[in-house]
Amino acid sequence: DAKTTQPNSMESNEEEPVHLPCNHSTISGTDYIHWYRQLPSQGPEYVIHGLTSNVNNRMASLAIAEDRKSSTLILHRATLRDAAVYYCILTNMLTFGGGTRLMVKP
Amino acid sequence: KAGVTQTPRYLIKTRGQQVTLSCSPISGHRSVSWYQQTPGQGLQFLFEYFSETQRNKGNFPGRFSGRQFSNSRSEMNVSTLELGDSALYLCASSPTRLTEAFFGQGTRLTVV
Repeated sequence: DAKTTQPNSMESNEEEPVHLPCNHSTISGTDYIHWYRQLPSQGPEYVIHGLTSNVNNRMASLAIAEDRKSSTLILHRATLRDAAVYYCILTNMLTFGGGTRLMVKP
Repeated sequence: KAGVTQTPRYLIKTRGQQVTLSCSPISGHRSVSWYQQTPGQGLQFLFEYFSETQRNKGNFPGRFSGRQFSNSRSEMNVSTLELGDSALYLCASSPTRLTEAFFGQGTRLTVV
């Protein structure tokens, strides 16, 4: 079962871009890369997912390395409401890992 | 469109008892997954069901079981409760395994 590795925590200033990295060196060719975030006292919320190409939606962008062994979630302008734990997981969502706790400073 | 509904939201049980938690997925979603979340272990996968069949099972003892009904609603059961089973139990539904999953608010189980 392929696993992901993320930094435990990151800090950002409000209105600045944030790049959240994720390593998934044992990813298989058919694994999608999913990102979820969990705000305090809530269930996880879908952010974005992709397979090989970079993806954009209204919440964020996902940059996937050419070898697919790593990816980066990009929040273009962090707001206080983006403070959450961000999880990078692979297709079958069997392993969430510890995620990255993002702190946003005003 | 109604979201994922988990009932009850809060539950207090005594050691040795059993408990059943319910999850109603979003209409049309056939995949339901269950997770246990604790401060020490984070989010851990319990089971995944698709069209009434268990597709995957996490590394939990046999006291944890689940099922999915023909209307896609799912239940999970924990027998012989232990103090360590105190956790937030989350259910997620999705149309298929490859699409985004929607999580419920969870059931907070406290075992005393």
